[in-house]
Amino acid sequence: AQKITQTQPGMFVQEKEAVTLDCTYDTSDPSYGLFWYKQPSSGEMIFLIYQGSYDQQNATEGRYSLNFQKARKSANLVISASQLGDSAMYFCAMRESGTNFGNEKLTFGTGTRLTIIP
Amino acid sequence: SQTIHQWPATLVQPVGSPLSLECTVEGTSNPNLYWYRQAAGRGLQLLFYSVGIGQISSEVPQNLSASRPQDRQFILSSKKLLLSDSGFYLCAWSVGDRPPETQYFGPGTRLLVL
Repeated sequence: AQKITQTQPGMFVQEKEAVTLDCTYDTSDPSYGLFWYKQPSSGEMIFLIYQGSYDQQNATEGRYSLNFQKARKSANLVISASQLGDSAMYFCAMRESGTNFGNEKLTFGTGTRLTIIP
Repeated sequence: SQTIHQWPATLVQPVGSPLSLECTVEGTSNPNLYWYRQAAGRGLQLLFYSVGIGQISSEVPQNLSASRPQDRQFILSSKKLLLSDSGFYLCAWSVGDRPPETQYFGPGTRLLVL
């Protein structure tokens, strides 16, 4: 079974509108972390935001916020007031504890390609 | 501040040739280091992980190997490249004692095996 599922292969959004990128995850580990990364056409993976499984509040970083719904096992990324520079691939990832590598292994989803339309 | 470098940025190699990709991190000590591969249009697959000099863990059996000769240097190698080794290779680092143990990625190396 997929541990991280991103069901939107591509999205087109008008500039200045808000956009929600979906991510659902599957784990039986009570302690885990969820990450979102942005990958522009240059290829570099840019860390955006993190949510811990025990965090009481949804994470926010500037225009990025994470809509964390633990019971539904979803961690959607919300980008407010989208800009042309937001056009990129976006990856959701999960870190579980207790893996063979300790606490560091990240499992990535297949990504969503976001295109902002002027 | 910490920075991570990868080279070369792009590489075109014939099948059967050797490979050496290098990753170095600056501005931190004793980082955890990772090698990922991203096939075209796909997510990232963890290849190797290292918690210290000479300590390498392999995620999947394959044609590649990794080494960590120095604290902040991570090398990905192959003795004979296969066509299936083509892809985008990303190196990442994290500091295990600093929550949330975010991984930060380098600029990547695009490898095309012909």
